[in-house]
Amino acid sequence: GQNIDQPTEMTATEGAIVQINCTYQTSGFNGLFWYQQHAGEAPTFLSYNVLDGLEEKGRFSSFLSRSKGYSYLLLKELQMKDSASYLCAVRDGRDDKIIFGKGTRLHILP
Amino acid sequence: DGGITQSPKYLFRKEGQNVTLSCEQNLNHDAMYWYRQDPGQGLRLIYYSQIVNDFQKGDIAEGYSVSREKKESFPLTVTSAQKNPTAFYLCASKPGTGANYGYTFGSGTRLTVV
Repeated sequence: GQNIDQPTEMTATEGAIVQINCTYQTSGFNGLFWYQQHAGEAPTFLSYNVLDGLEEKGRFSSFLSRSKGYSYLLLKELQMKDSASYLCAVRDGRDDKIIFGKGTRLHILP
Repeated sequence: DGGITQSPKYLFRKEGQNVTLSCEQNLNHDAMYWYRQDPGQGLRLIYYSQIVNDFQKGDIAEGYSVSREKKESFPLTVTSAQKNPTAFYLCASKPGTGANYGYTFGSGTRLTVV
């Protein structure tokens, strides 16, 4: 079976740093994605990790540890527009399906 | 500009009626997917197709049907057998199997049964 866990909600302050964690159990792991989704809109791609380590892309970074079944998304210099849901998703290499977690709603306070 | 188009954006259906949601892409992607999103449930896979004239059931296929007669089109029919069809439906595509790309999503269709 497959299971992806991430916190339901988080709150942070504008200008600060926040880390959103994701743990997963899956067979045939072949990559982990992070997506951003604003309310009522489609998800947009943020990052992809398939090897252990940190991938940095501007204000956003994503980390993966395959042995621990663990990833995090790090958002720096938070802006009000970062208020959104962040979806962790894992690809199963056996059938190429991408399974999504339930998402973390991030609230940014001024 | 390439992308995925879902129509309509909002759809109202009377209970007991079938309804078809459109999904068209001009990205030349081989694989297409339909997801359903409910509050607090995340995205759940309904059907997917990795090649024309072939498709597979996802995790919640009951009460839904699809076709893939053309590479660029993957319509989803919500039948009267679907017990709780009110939801946000997302169509997605990607280049093919094994590609290290995430999905490209359409803008979604919000279906409400009245």
